[in-house]
Amino acid sequence: EAGVAQSPRYKIIEKRQSVAFWCNPISGHATLYWYQQILGQGPKLLIQFQNNGVVDDSQLPKDRFSAERLKGVDSTLKIQPAKLEDSAVYLCASSAKGGSTEAFFGQGTRLTVV
Amino acid sequence: AQRVTQPEKLLSVFKGAPVELKCNYSYSGSPELFWYVQYSRQRLQLLLRHISRESIKGFTADLNKGETSFHLKKPFAQEEDSAMYYCALYSGNTPLVFGKGTRLSVIA
Repeated sequence: EAGVAQSPRYKIIEKRQSVAFWCNPISGHATLYWYQQILGQGPKLLIQFQNNGVVDDSQLPKDRFSAERLKGVDSTLKIQPAKLEDSAVYLCASSAKGGSTEAFFGQGTRLTVV
Repeated sequence: AQRVTQPEKLLSVFKGAPVELKCNYSYSGSPELFWYVQYSRQRLQLLLRHISRESIKGFTADLNKGETSFHLKKPFAQEEDSAMYYCALYSGNTPLVFGKGTRLSVIA
């Protein structure tokens, strides 16, 4: 089966600019996650969707980060405006039902804010 | 709050030597524990979960509730085991919480 697709793979922007990431989950997977992975740390959940509804966004910095999953399939994550500390790999993952079912990860988008 | 601790950032072993990657967690209930692995230039993927009680690529992990640990073990390390390993916890109330990871380097 096709895996989780993310684009772009790499992005370099200046601080205060805006950026958007795109994710296409595995077909049929109801649950979609966005994780932020800062160098040297494990993935940290930003937001979890179940179909097109938000399940958990408690760790999403809502003053600058936003995410949507229109129609319950693809998702976009936006940062506006970006800060230096946003430099990280942004991982998208999907699972069939959420909970403890296996999460399948995309390759990630490496963001560098200069 | 749930927390996963992997005390070693880097673990180097010789090929054929036993491997143990440590994972400790803090959670008062009955969690589900996982090991995820990321090989060089590949995506993060599930290695094994405690409820399956299976051995994957020679790796096993036993959940020890008394010690709140879920250490990953393999009796004989192979060069292809070199990778980043992440321990993760699911509690039923929150999504997966990951540790900071341990880089395993198997030396030929």
